[in-house]
Amino acid sequence: GAVVSQHPSRVICKSGTSVKIECRSLDFQATTMFWYRQFPKQSLMLMATSNEGSKATYEQGVEKDKFLINHASLTLSTLTVTSAHPEDSSFYICSARVYLGTVYGYTFGSGTRLTVV
Amino acid sequence: RKEVEQDPGPFNVPEGATVAFNCTYSNSASQSFFWYRQDCRKEPKLLMSVYSSGNEDGRFTAQLNRASQYISLLIRDSKLSDSATYLCVVIHNTDKLIFGTGTRLQVFP
Repeated sequence: GAVVSQHPSRVICKSGTSVKIECRSLDFQATTMFWYRQFPKQSLMLMATSNEGSKATYEQGVEKDKFLINHASLTLSTLTVTSAHPEDSSFYICSARVYLGTVYGYTFGSGTRLTVV
Repeated sequence: RKEVEQDPGPFNVPEGATVAFNCTYSNSASQSFFWYRQDCRKEPKLLMSVYSSGNEDGRFTAQLNRASQYISLLIRDSKLSDSATYLCVVIHNTDKLIFGTGTRLQVFP
């Protein structure tokens, strides 16, 4: 249980275009989702926290107008990279917090590898 | 200073060896601690939680030292399939996962 499906797994886009990444919780309701970015040989860096029905909370240094997050339902959160540039090429991963009865757990999507050319 | 620090490695060990990783965290308000495993170009997967009293799961033992603010992971009888990057993860009261940079382990035959 507690599966998060992330699509696409890999995308190549031209500089200046926008790319949308979707994360769906398949068998549970995800009130809170987290979006991470990971550059090669670096750690996962939290970009933003999205809560269903409200505006996302962005980490310091992350441009909210460039990385648009929508969490309109309890099973879907999307990240749109607008006007993508080569420096946005990275591995993007979503994570959902799931209540396990007594504690919270975190389940991850399989990641999206974005290459901007 | 990074909030969660790990030695990036790589640690190259033969099959059957015992290997230990350490991780230090800077926020004394940190409440929960985990070790995740990440294979190349894949998402992280939970390996084990870390409890104050220390805990063991098969060949893996995790320990927490709150006074010194470090966490350790011990892997006994290393297998080839243990080759991966091991991520130290900390949560404080914001409920956000804070990842270390990871320690790379390579087990060779």
